[in-house]
Amino acid sequence: DTAVSQTPKYLVTQMGNDKSIKCEQNLGHDTMYWYKQDSKKFLKIMFSYNNKELIINETVPNRFSPKSPDKAHLNLHINSLELGDSAVYFCASSHDPGHRYGGEKLFFGSGTQLSVL
Amino acid sequence: SQKIEQNSEALNIQEGKTATLTCNYTNYSPAYLQWYRQDPGRGPVFLLLIRENEKEKRKERLKVTFDTTLKQSLFHITASQPADSATYLCAPEGDSSYKLIFGSGTRLLVRP
Repeated sequence: DTAVSQTPKYLVTQMGNDKSIKCEQNLGHDTMYWYKQDSKKFLKIMFSYNNKELIINETVPNRFSPKSPDKAHLNLHINSLELGDSAVYFCASSHDPGHRYGGEKLFFGSGTQLSVL
Repeated sequence: SQKIEQNSEALNIQEGKTATLTCNYTNYSPAYLQWYRQDPGRGPVFLLLIRENEKEKRKERLKVTFDTTLKQSLFHITASQPADSATYLCAPEGDSSYKLIFGSGTRLLVRP
């Protein structure tokens, strides 16, 4: 069984459209994340959720709206897609790193390659 | 702002040699640092975590060091194999324990 699964794997769409990426983890983790990897391979945090609560919103445009219906799911909805949104989006999960010592390893999904034409 | 630097040039070595990758960070002092491996078309996979009070951490053929004075971590793969060929990402803790700051990665190529 895949630990962190995200769908779709590939997403090709026109500018201005609205699209969603789904993510599910079966590891029993409390914390989930969305990261964006651009063409230069930098992996940047977008959002962190802990127990369905938003913890980190890294100055992401409000066209991006994450939704966590339960601890095992964190979906990403993107409105009015722009050319610059083209990238690979990774979902990840971990145990809660907010405890005293911090530092929990992240488990990543295989990524969603978004191409905006 | 927090800045992570990894050598952007690929590291090309002969099988059996030791690969050493460098990660430098500036403008802050992370409590821990993680290393990940990423293969083409796949998500990063966790390898090792080292905390600020640890000088060195080992796992099988992997070794990580953490020098908080130099603000640098070194990642070593001994007895390298072609299967070790991948991109290796350094990820110190950010300004929150819920945020890792990733470097752009160093691509390692191990020749048979």
